[in-house]
Amino acid sequence: EPEVTQTPSHQVTQMGQEVILRCVPISNHLYFYWYRQILGQKVEFLVSFYNNEISEKSEIFDDQFSVERPDGSNFTLKIRSTKLEDSAMYFCASSKDMNYGYTFGSGTRLTVV
Amino acid sequence: QQQVKQSPQSLIVQKGGISIINCAYENTAFDYFPWYQQFPGKGPALLIAIRPDVSEKKEGRFTISFNKSAKQFSLHIMDSQPGDSATYFCAALNTDKLIFGTGTRLQVFP
Repeated sequence: EPEVTQTPSHQVTQMGQEVILRCVPISNHLYFYWYRQILGQKVEFLVSFYNNEISEKSEIFDDQFSVERPDGSNFTLKIRSTKLEDSAMYFCASSKDMNYGYTFGSGTRLTVV
Repeated sequence: QQQVKQSPQSLIVQKGGISIINCAYENTAFDYFPWYQQFPGKGPALLIAIRPDVSEKKEGRFTISFNKSAKQFSLHIMDSQPGDSATYFCAALNTDKLIFGTGTRLQVFP
């Protein structure tokens, strides 16, 4: 069964550093998303991306965050200057159609120290 | 209102029993209601989903009941098994954004 692949599985970074989280969505999917989950809490929407542009973003997704689809297969989330409160699991997801459920990756655990 | 309220927060069920998790929403623009299962260290995995024009959907041991007028929906897990022990999230879709409930940690004991 097709999977959404995320790398790395765990990243530790110092506060103020830039991080790039990488995702390879399912190949025939057109809609791409980033969500995050702070330990023990619910999954929160960050951003949706379609046709090479952001279609919607949450209040969490401020100027420190950016997304990019640099080629036909990768989808990245960049955090420019990490803060302690950015520590969370970050999930990439993709879908063929925005009206259906997504396929989530296994996540990247980001730890900011 | 973009919230989806989920209860209970945790649930302990004996093997073979029925697990029931409830969710409620306010925004009538939601048009797709999936349930996700999440094991520790893994991403949410789509379990079953329903649209508001249907009152019930069953897939194997998993059933969603949907009450459009009450704006509530629930997940029933029949014949619960220890392998079902996981966190379950309800969600609601508004345009292309999923709003998740707060999760229910289910433990099924043998």
